[in-house]
Amino acid sequence: GAVVSQHPSWVICKSGTSVKIECRSLDFQATTMFWYRQFPKQSLMLMATSNEGSKATYEQGVEKDKFLINHASLTLSTLTVTSAHPEDSSFYICSAPSASTQYFGPGTRLTVL
Amino acid sequence: AQSVTQLDSQVPVFEEAPVELRCNYSSSVSVYLFWYVQYPNQGLQLLLKYLSGSTLVKGINGFEAEFNKSQTSFHLRKPSVHISDTAEYFCAVSDHSSGAGSYQLTFGKGTKLSVIP
Repeated sequence: GAVVSQHPSWVICKSGTSVKIECRSLDFQATTMFWYRQFPKQSLMLMATSNEGSKATYEQGVEKDKFLINHASLTLSTLTVTSAHPEDSSFYICSAPSASTQYFGPGTRLTVL
Repeated sequence: AQSVTQLDSQVPVFEEAPVELRCNYSSSVSVYLFWYVQYPNQGLQLLLKYLSGSTLVKGINGFEAEFNKSQTSFHLRKPSVHISDTAEYFCAVSDHSSGAGSYQLTFGKGTKLSVIP
């Protein structure tokens, strides 16, 4: 099946700093990628749809200026958490579609101190 | 709009026993159906999917699911579970009328399968 990678797998940062998370489709191209947030013992919450060459589409309630998304190429989307605060601590997962199926990255655990 | 209901939030089962994880969905259009598994601190791994054709689909790790259109269900089954099957299982649907390249998923809340030795 198709493979999606994420980097880093975990990150710890100080409050007020920015963190960038990368999502790559390794063996296929994706004009669209999706970013999710998952709280402990809960399902995935879609944050935004990343579109190659155009602006991302954000779900209701997600702050565009806080969660910056860039889809610079057909294999790379990045999520930048700006001015991170402890409440942004979470598990962030990306996905990319291939042949009618979403393939997920391994996730990034963000801890903001 | 679509919705997915996973009827059981937790399912404990003894090792080597059979298991069924239930999933029902609602949608006004045709959908694709998926089951994903998530191990602790990991992303989601595709178990199996129904896109078209035979309503009984087989996936990895001995799992299978049956699409029942009249009951709008897509229950996941395994005849004999192992300790390693302990994980969170998510049912999901996508609207395949959205156009190529999208396939945004709607997830159920997940079912925690605990296999007891």
